[in-house]
Amino acid sequence: EVQLVESGGGLVQPGGSLSLSCSASGFTLRTNGMHWVRQAPGKGLEYVSGLSNNGGSTYYADSVKGRFTISRDNSKNTLYLQMSSLRAEDTAVYYCVKDRYGTVTGLFDYWGQGTLVTVSS
Amino acid sequence: EIVLTQSPATLSLSPGERATLSCRASQSVSSYLAWYQQKPGQAPRLLIYDASNRATGIPARFSGSGSGTDFTLTISSLEPEDFAVYYCQHRNNWPFTFGQGTRLEIK
Repeated sequence: EVQLVESGGGLVQPGGSLSLSCSASGFTLRTNGMHWVRQAPGKGLEYVSGLSNNGGSTYYADSVKGRFTISRDNSKNTLYLQMSSLRAEDTAVYYCVKDRYGTVTGLFDYWGQGTLVTVSS
Repeated sequence: EIVLTQSPATLSLSPGERATLSCRASQSVSSYLAWYQQKPGQAPRLLIYDASNRATGIPARFSGSGSGTDFTLTISSLEPEDFAVYYCQHRNNWPFTFGQGTRLEIK
């Protein structure tokens, strides 16, 4: 059974940094593209970032480009999202999402339960 | 960026009724459109991908249709567990985007 478990969320001040992790099980991380999608409280879904299975291709939403970095450690079956220069509008539940394919195709077949990031002073 | 517009924003129906949800794209997304279901406090779940393919474990009462710019998610006979928010999402090109959602509520 595929499982994605996010961790690392919490309260951070504006301008601060935070690192999210996503531990994957039930499949081999190196075979699939992976993504982060977020959802602000009471709002819809927003794509944040994606990374191909070999790490060769990365994608970032304009709203986070230059501030967020996606990475993976296939040996640990773990996906990461390093977030810096955080703003109030980054407050959201961040979901780790598995792509059905090895590249970044945008077909999101499994989602984690999410971790809440709150940016506030 | 392709904008996806879902309608209606809220749909009020009773169990056993047929639900029809719409998603319109600002330009063609070919058949690269998916539908997700999200219940309160839960992560989204993939229902339909590439316009008309049911994901693993999705009941046959869920079906998708359409291509180009106009897509429909149909639930043939609503079960109590189907009342939730539904999102469409395209993967035709970068950036991937989501619709704003349709809330399906019990009448």
